[in-house]
Amino acid sequence: GAGVSQSPRYKVAKRGQDVALRCDPISGHVSLFWYQQALGQGPEFLTYFQNEAQLDKSGLPSDRFFAERPEGSVSTLKIQRTQQEDSAVYLCASSPSPEGETQYFGPGTRLLVL
Amino acid sequence: KQEVTQIPAALSVPEGENLVLNCSFTDSAIYNLQWFRQDPGKGLTSLLLIQSSQREQTSGRLNASLDKSSGRSTLYIAASQPGDSATYLCAVPLIQGAQKLVFGQGTRLTINP
Repeated sequence: GAGVSQSPRYKVAKRGQDVALRCDPISGHVSLFWYQQALGQGPEFLTYFQNEAQLDKSGLPSDRFFAERPEGSVSTLKIQRTQQEDSAVYLCASSPSPEGETQYFGPGTRLLVL
Repeated sequence: KQEVTQIPAALSVPEGENLVLNCSFTDSAIYNLQWFRQDPGKGLTSLLLIQSSQREQTSGRLNASLDKSSGRSTLYIAASQPGDSATYLCAVPLIQGAQKLVFGQGTRLTINP
């Protein structure tokens, strides 16, 4: 069956540009997580949705980061006025359980800000 | 605050060797611990999940152990193969609320033919 998909797979942005990263979770999965992975580091939690509700956004590094999941399925992570330190791989994971036990990860979007 | 550390950061061994990857965590109150594999340009693939009540889990050539009291886990890979080359990450979920995962920085493993 289809897994978690993310698009685009690669994105090059000029500093100051806005970007939008898309995540298509596994159909029927209730919870959705976004993680940020800097080069050579492990992923770090950004935000979490249960259906359409964003229940935890404690990991978002600044107010330039915004995430939504309006219909409880597809999610978009938006970064406004990108900066070089935003360069990373952004991973999306979905889970059939509300709390996120057993997360299935997508391939990630590699963002490079020049 | 839960912190997860993996040592070494990189490891290179000849094919056929048995090897051990280490993971340590600061807060022993965990639900479970999970080992993932990450290939370049790919997402994370779950290898093994050990519940807090378990001491080890096995899958094929992989064996993961968990010692909660000492805050340690090891991933043992037997008879390593070039296809095992990847980055291996361990992660524990935070207990409060959603099980957002806290990851180590990973061990980059290279198996030389």
